[in-house]
Amino acid sequence: TQLLEQSPQFLSIQEGENLTVYCNSSSVFSSLQWYRQEPGEGPVLLVTVVTGGEVKKLKRLTFQFGDARKDSSLHITAAQPGDTGLYLCAGRGTYKYIFGTGTRLKVLA
Amino acid sequence: NAGVTQTPKFQVLKTGQSMTLQCAQDMNHNSMYWYRQDPGMGLRLIYYSASEGTTDKGEVPNGYNVSRLNKREFSLRLESAAPSQTSVYFCASSSVVASYNEQFFGPGTRLTVL
Repeated sequence: TQLLEQSPQFLSIQEGENLTVYCNSSSVFSSLQWYRQEPGEGPVLLVTVVTGGEVKKLKRLTFQFGDARKDSSLHITAAQPGDTGLYLCAGRGTYKYIFGTGTRLKVLA
Repeated sequence: NAGVTQTPKFQVLKTGQSMTLQCAQDMNHNSMYWYRQDPGMGLRLIYYSASEGTTDKGEVPNGYNVSRLNKREFSLRLESAAPSQTSVYFCASSSVVASYNEQFFGPGTRLTVL
């Protein structure tokens, strides 16, 4: 069974701080996606990484796919209250995409 | 474009009752999915439809049935609801981009089974 574990589960930080969220597995994935979900809404795709070692930047967000394609990280620089939400990683598995358990981020003004 | 729409937004059922969750997308996507989201467990795939006329079981299909009515619509039916089916249900559709799918999610249906 392919599993994705995210850490930390919860994170509360002050505006302006930097943070990193991790997504780890013992399985290899052909691609990995990051989503952000706000309360009462469905997840929204932020990025897809497909190549081992790939780094993608989306404004203040930097996504990295591990060389072995088993893990990924999301780094946010100078976090803002608008970054608050549930961050989910998802790896392409047998049943299409397998989702991690999520990291709930709260950025305090 | 409305994207992916789901009805109803909220529902309360008694154990043993049945209901159908409706989902429609206007993006001309071939693939559609039903997920459930429970606290601390992320999103789990219930059923998916790779194309019109086909459906396949996902990770947690027991207690559910689906119908791909046409390319736009994909419904999820609970024949005899159980408290363990209390959850938030999300429908999604996807387009193929190179080697991966981009999934677009609806706003969810919050279901409570008493």
